[in-house]
Amino acid sequence: KQEVTQIPAALSVPEGENLVLNCSFTDSAIYNLQWFRQDPGKGLTSLLLIQSSQREQTSGRLNASLDKSSGRSTLYIAASQPGDSATYLCAVRPGSGTYKYIFGTGTRLKVLA
Amino acid sequence: ETGVTQSPTHLIKTRGQQVTLRCSSQSGHNTVSWYQQALGQGPQFIFQYYREEENGRGNFPPRFSGLQFPNYSSELNVNALELDDSALYLCASSLGPLNTEAFFGQGTRLTVV
Repeated sequence: KQEVTQIPAALSVPEGENLVLNCSFTDSAIYNLQWFRQDPGKGLTSLLLIQSSQREQTSGRLNASLDKSSGRSTLYIAASQPGDSATYLCAVRPGSGTYKYIFGTGTRLKVLA
Repeated sequence: ETGVTQSPTHLIKTRGQQVTLRCSSQSGHNTVSWYQQALGQGPQFIFQYYREEENGRGNFPPRFSGLQFPNYSSELNVNALELDDSALYLCASSLGPLNTEAFFGQGTRLTVV
């Protein structure tokens, strides 16, 4: 059974710091992995999608990597800003023919001005 | 801002009542998935519709049902509401059921009293 874990659960950093959010999953057979951002009480905003054949994806100050064999993904945020404060969720789509995403519980990030 | 629209944004229902939530998918997207997100948790998969057919279902009882229309918009119906059904309900649309990026709406906050 696929399980997704995100560590740390919460993180507080000063503005300008580079930071790494971690996501681990128990079954390496996945179709893809997607990172999302969620502001309090709001829906999910897609940040990056990594297909199982890819190692990383980049968008602006964000870089996501995928290591399927070790069951890990990281989201790197460069030069953090107060506007980056949100909960970041990682979701994997298992390769077992099911169509659902399995989510972690998220990392709640606070960037201090 | 995605093209996925959910209505209503908030509603309050009494235990035992029935509720219908609506989702308009992004233009050109033929796949809609529904998720339930309890406070402080990651979203949990309810079901997915692809070209008007249910394409997969999570661990939710039959009183959770859905529909997809020819224009690919979708409804989530919940009968015999229970207090534990209080959650944020999220709709996601994608171009295909599996290997494509999912775009989420802003969610419907359901409170059952």
